[in-house]
Amino acid sequence: DTAVSQTPKYLVTQMGNDKSIKCEQNLGHDTMYWYKQDSKKFLKIMFSYNNKELIINETVPNRFSPKSPDKAHLNLHINSLELGDSAVYFCASSPGTRMQYFGPGTRLTVT
Amino acid sequence: GENVEQHPSTLSVQEGDSAVIKCTYSDSASNYFPWYKQELGKRPQLIIDIRSNVGEKKDQRIAVTLNKTAKHFSLHITETQPEDSAVYFCAASRSGGGADGLTFGKGTHLIIQP
Repeated sequence: DTAVSQTPKYLVTQMGNDKSIKCEQNLGHDTMYWYKQDSKKFLKIMFSYNNKELIINETVPNRFSPKSPDKAHLNLHINSLELGDSAVYFCASSPGTRMQYFGPGTRLTVT
Repeated sequence: GENVEQHPSTLSVQEGDSAVIKCTYSDSASNYFPWYKQELGKRPQLIIDIRSNVGEKKDQRIAVTLNKTAKHFSLHITETQPEDSAVYFCAASRSGGGADGLTFGKGTHLIIQP
């Protein structure tokens, strides 16, 4: 009964490919997020999304796009992958006013 | 936007001693300050949080203090144990972690020496 789950756990792909990472939460939270953790362990917000509003960090390239089929899912699509996209991507969810629950992370390696 | 500075980047203490990690934030509208612990290869996990209407919060060996005027907050771990070794992140948010998400500091690698 994992609270926030992500698939896949590891993703290895070549430059130029398009890939997706899936995220699901069973906590009934209204808000979900994507964070990127780079090789120096720096965690940075990419998107936050609830059923009303998408907030995009202005530094995120438009090759990245979140897609939410329903309230429990927020998937991350990445087009034309670049070497610099290699990182660990964490999904998280929140009831909106309290702590965020993180998923286990997806380690993306672009070769 | 918000900017969170965290110090030190690495902290080595003897087992049983105390550890203190400090953070400053820039946005006076921030009102929620969580601390996360991340073990190697694992997800960040919340260990304690504090809201701007409180100056101090304690949970067993862990405490957090907040100085709104100076815009800084600190994590205190007493009687450190080997399992405390991890990377610790402070964060700040305007909306309690809501629509704005969390702005993280760059992390502190805490090493507990036996």
